[in-house]
Amino acid sequence: NAGVTQTPKFQVLKTGQSMTLQCAQDMNHNSMYWYRQDPGMGLRLIYYSASEGTTDKGEVPNGYNVSRLNKREFSLRLESAAPSQTSVYFCASTDGQGESPLHFGNGTRLTVT
Amino acid sequence: QKEVEQNSGPLSVPEGAIASLNCTYSDRGSQSFFWYRQYSGKSPELIMFIYSNGDKEDGRFTAQLNKASQYVSLLIRDSQPSDSATYLCAVGVTGGGNKLTFGTGTQLKVEL
Repeated sequence: NAGVTQTPKFQVLKTGQSMTLQCAQDMNHNSMYWYRQDPGMGLRLIYYSASEGTTDKGEVPNGYNVSRLNKREFSLRLESAAPSQTSVYFCASTDGQGESPLHFGNGTRLTVT
Repeated sequence: QKEVEQNSGPLSVPEGAIASLNCTYSDRGSQSFFWYRQYSGKSPELIMFIYSNGDKEDGRFTAQLNKASQYVSLLIRDSQPSDSATYLCAVGVTGGGNKLTFGTGTQLKVEL
């Protein structure tokens, strides 16, 4: 049972390059989320998808786009990477029923030089 | 602005002692509260959740919630070196559809 799978685990980009972070869950969850974690800042929500076909901005959406490809997959795209986007990115999912907890992927450590 | 506040620590306790981790939140409408444990370089993993005022126990862990005081805590009994990690408090956003606001975490060190 894989849970939430993120790829890649590590990535180094140069300023201005683009990339897509991939996330897939096999728990049949309705809701999926992208968070970033920075030292002293905690986990901050970038975008989320309450259900297949819907996406909404979170706390820090600027510089990012997302796609809910299907119920399993939720990708995060950086169109033009900036050093301020150096962070650890976590994808998470939940079944969306009531107040259900988040299940996290293993994270992607991104460095933008 | 919705906030969740935690003391960053580190909180050091001897092995076998009780560790007490605290969290305050500003969103009066929040209905769900979670504690996650995060080891260095790893992803957060759920320890406990609590929705109602009072105490909830699960093994060595007890979560306590006081909505009137906007306060939630986590007690770890018989602390073990393997409990050394950062503990994240997360609070449900009112009307937020399962969105959570996270605190910055408290680092716990259990010393031999």
